[in-house]
Amino acid sequence: QEQLVESGGGVVQPGRSLRLSCVASGSTFTFYAMHWVRQAPGKGLEWVAVISFDERSKFYADSVKGRFTVSRDNSKNTLYLQMNSLRPEDTAVYYCAREKATIAGYYGMDVWGQGTTVTVSS
Amino acid sequence: IRMTQSPSSFSASTGDRVTITCRASQAISSYLAWYQQKPGEAPKLLIYAASTLQSGVPSRFSGSGSGTDFTLTISRLQSDDFATYYCQQYSNYPRTFGQGTKVETK
Repeated sequence: QEQLVESGGGVVQPGRSLRLSCVASGSTFTFYAMHWVRQAPGKGLEWVAVISFDERSKFYADSVKGRFTVSRDNSKNTLYLQMNSLRPEDTAVYYCAREKATIAGYYGMDVWGQGTTVTVSS
Repeated sequence: IRMTQSPSSFSASTGDRVTITCRASQAISSYLAWYQQKPGEAPKLLIYAASTLQSGVPSRFSGSGSGTDFTLTISRLQSDDFATYYCQQYSNYPRTFGQGTKVETK
């Protein structure tokens, strides 16, 4: 069973940047679309961004568009989230998750990391 | 697309039949998934394509619906099922989750 491990979280001042990483074990990383999902303290899940298996397609939530950039390095089985111009409302646990996507459709986010915490505060 | 779950929370007992409703603000065909989350843990995929049970998920979980109205049913609630449940649409981007339904012990 593939595992995902996030890192890069921490405490950062408003307006600063942070880059999250998500490393996948196993050999199937390149076959999956990869998502970032976040959860503010005591709140529900908020989808953040997605990148297709071949990096050709990327989509973002309106709340992060223009500030966050998703990327991946399939040779390293690693997903990234570059977060710029951070705001206090970006404070959350950030999860990466994989999703199988084929011509037939999507199959849900079936493997998730344990999450990494980002705190934006002065 | 806005996803609205009901109720937001409720209390139940083991053995109860439980139903959670999710409504989309516009038609999403069957592009809906259900997730379970326990405190301090990552979400877990239960159902995708509105009614397809994810591998390894107990058969007491089932999903139904299409278009704008969907339900998640737990036929006989077990102690391991007390958690928060989220629906999510994947008809288009941005993907959106419902606000969650917390199932608590009575």
